[in-house]
Amino acid sequence: GAGVSQSPRYKVAKRGQDVALRCDPISGHVSLFWYQQALGQGPEFLTYFQNEAQLDKSGLPSDRFFAERPEGSVSTLKIQRTQQEDSAVYLCASTHKREFGNQPQHFGDGTRLSIL
Amino acid sequence: SQQGEEDPQALSIQEGENATMNCSYKTSINNLQWYRQNSGRGLVHLILIRSNEREKHSGRLRVTLDTSKKSSSLLITASRAADTASYFCASGGSRLTFGEGTQLTVNP
Repeated sequence: GAGVSQSPRYKVAKRGQDVALRCDPISGHVSLFWYQQALGQGPEFLTYFQNEAQLDKSGLPSDRFFAERPEGSVSTLKIQRTQQEDSAVYLCASTHKREFGNQPQHFGDGTRLSIL
Repeated sequence: SQQGEEDPQALSIQEGENATMNCSYKTSINNLQWYRQNSGRGLVHLILIRSNEREKHSGRLRVTLDTSKKSSSLLITASRAADTASYFCASGGSRLTFGEGTQLTVNP
């Protein structure tokens, strides 16, 4: 079946603008994760949902970052008043079970965000 | 912040050679995973090794885990140009913590 789909693939915004990044997880996957990946670095955890519940948002770098998953499927990561340091690739991943301790995460290809 | 450190940061080899990448981590783990990332793409899961396992194989991949040293290694045998990618180790449950990765280049 289809994998994790993210849109847009590339986003350029001016500093101070708001942006919204979309993630369509694999159908039926319960858990959804957002990561931020700076150039040349490994991904860093931002937030995690189980169905529509946001169970961990401890990785969000500031209150300008907000994520939602209102119906337990598609998720949106919103960044308000963007700053240049927000430039990165934003990756979404999903797993199909609640008990994810031993589950691989399935990643989308990410959204590359550039703030000018 | 990154939990793990990988070494080397970059590795360049010829097709057919073996590639070994190492990962160290800081906290106790239940399992450790390895992922591959091709340029401009998302991460692809390669292999998971549980904390009570010492070695695991999958095709041309061999992973070892030494919990006493908090380290793991990934060996790719008989490398191919298509193996060119970044490789990351990761640990954690709901919150995966990734190393900084090894950039592997396999020259044809």
